[in-house]
Amino acid sequence: DGGITQSPKYLFRKEGQNVTLSCEQNLNHDAMYWYRQDPGQGLRLIYYSQIVNDFQKGDIAEGYSVSREKKESFPLTVTSAQKNPTAFYLCASAPLAGATNQQFFGPGTRLTVL
Amino acid sequence: GNSVTQMEGPVTLSEEAFLTINCTYTATGYPSLFWYVQYPGEGLQLLLKATKADDKGSNKGFEATYRKETTSFHLEKGSVQVSDSAVYFCALSDTGGYQKVTFGTGTKLQVIP
Repeated sequence: DGGITQSPKYLFRKEGQNVTLSCEQNLNHDAMYWYRQDPGQGLRLIYYSQIVNDFQKGDIAEGYSVSREKKESFPLTVTSAQKNPTAFYLCASAPLAGATNQQFFGPGTRLTVL
Repeated sequence: GNSVTQMEGPVTLSEEAFLTINCTYTATGYPSLFWYVQYPGEGLQLLLKATKADDKGSNKGFEATYRKETTSFHLEKGSVQVSDSAVYFCALSDTGGYQKVTFGTGTKLQVIP
């Protein structure tokens, strides 16, 4: 089945530690995205990538880093510089060319900083 | 810049009641409009979409019409079920080269038996 997988589903981190969230898609989509979701707020864009080896900052990139070495994979690292990292993180992908611009979402990773 | 405003929740309805969740937007050009649904602990799923003015998106008994004159895309369902309890997000997408999506803050719907 085609889709987007995120792992792990739940992640706990101590303050001062970096942690990497995985996102993989087998939809052959060119574009991939990372969003952060906090209670009562909409989705905020962290980073996005339209092609391999290229990515752009979104609205709240500070304290995060990404890589796009393969078309299928777009891991997100939450660094110790992120002041309030506890949140629900969503990865999404989309065909770069398409009339509908629909995004497809993974199941999310809930990160908790202890 | 683009923005999406949707009614705050939670919205609590009895089963079989009529549902309306309001959504208005601000955008340049001719964006595509979407409703996504998020069940507890899950990612977002596309519920319906409309890509041009006067289009009506529909799915699973939900409907929304792209109204350019009022810049609105209200979500409606004639008879809600307990299984419809979720958070609903209105969103728009640029038609430019980078398909940035702007989301509303979400409206939580609770349907009680």
